[in-house]
Amino acid sequence: QPVLTQSSSASASLGSSVKLTCTLSSGHSSYIIAWHQQQPGKAPRYLMKLEGSGSYNKGSGVPDRFSGSSSGADRYLTISNLQSEDEADYYCETWDSNTHKVFGGGTKLTVL
Amino acid sequence: QLQLQESGPGLVKPSETLSLTCTVSGGSISSSSYYWGWIRQPPGKGLEWIGSIYYSGSTYYNPSLKSRVTISVDTSKNQFSLKLSSVTAADTAVYYCAREVGAIDYWGQGTLVTVSS
Repeated sequence: QPVLTQSSSASASLGSSVKLTCTLSSGHSSYIIAWHQQQPGKAPRYLMKLEGSGSYNKGSGVPDRFSGSSSGADRYLTISNLQSEDEADYYCETWDSNTHKVFGGGTKLTVL
Repeated sequence: QLQLQESGPGLVKPSETLSLTCTVSGGSISSSSYYWGWIRQPPGKGLEWIGSIYYSGSTYYNPSLKSRVTISVDTSKNQFSLKLSSVTAADTAVYYCAREVGAIDYWGQGTLVTVSS
């Protein structure tokens, strides 16, 4: 079963860009992942599904500032023109044919 | 717009069974395109998948919880449910229900369940 690894924290300045990383474990580099945002005190929100090719499909209402990309076993979430409301925890998720699902440990993003 | 709403007791005693229901509105739980899942988040910690169910009743559970978890579906009520037996303080968490199309694409608002005597 796959394992997802995320940095525990990241920070960037208001108006700048940040790139968060989710790394798939060995042997699982082709897996599709999803990114979710969890603002303080709220439920997670689906942002996008991201393939190993770098192709991604965003959820309804997700701003254009959010984009995805991939390189090998790494899956990236890039947030451009950072806003204060982007300060949140970001989780990646993957699954094994619907029989098993895993989450990364989450990255806490601070907007300076 | 699809909505999922968790309901159930907010306080459960140790060794008892936690029971939650998720009511789906704005869409049919009987759609062949989706699974329906439960995820939990202990206070201050990350997300943990509990298990998922298909409208036909096929279930998949997290191996670490499998011996204590039962997920069921009631298509007539457009609901699915979670039962977690023999709970301890470690089961205190916000419990979320969700729709899955591979990835989770819709989340419920979550409900806090505290295990305490």
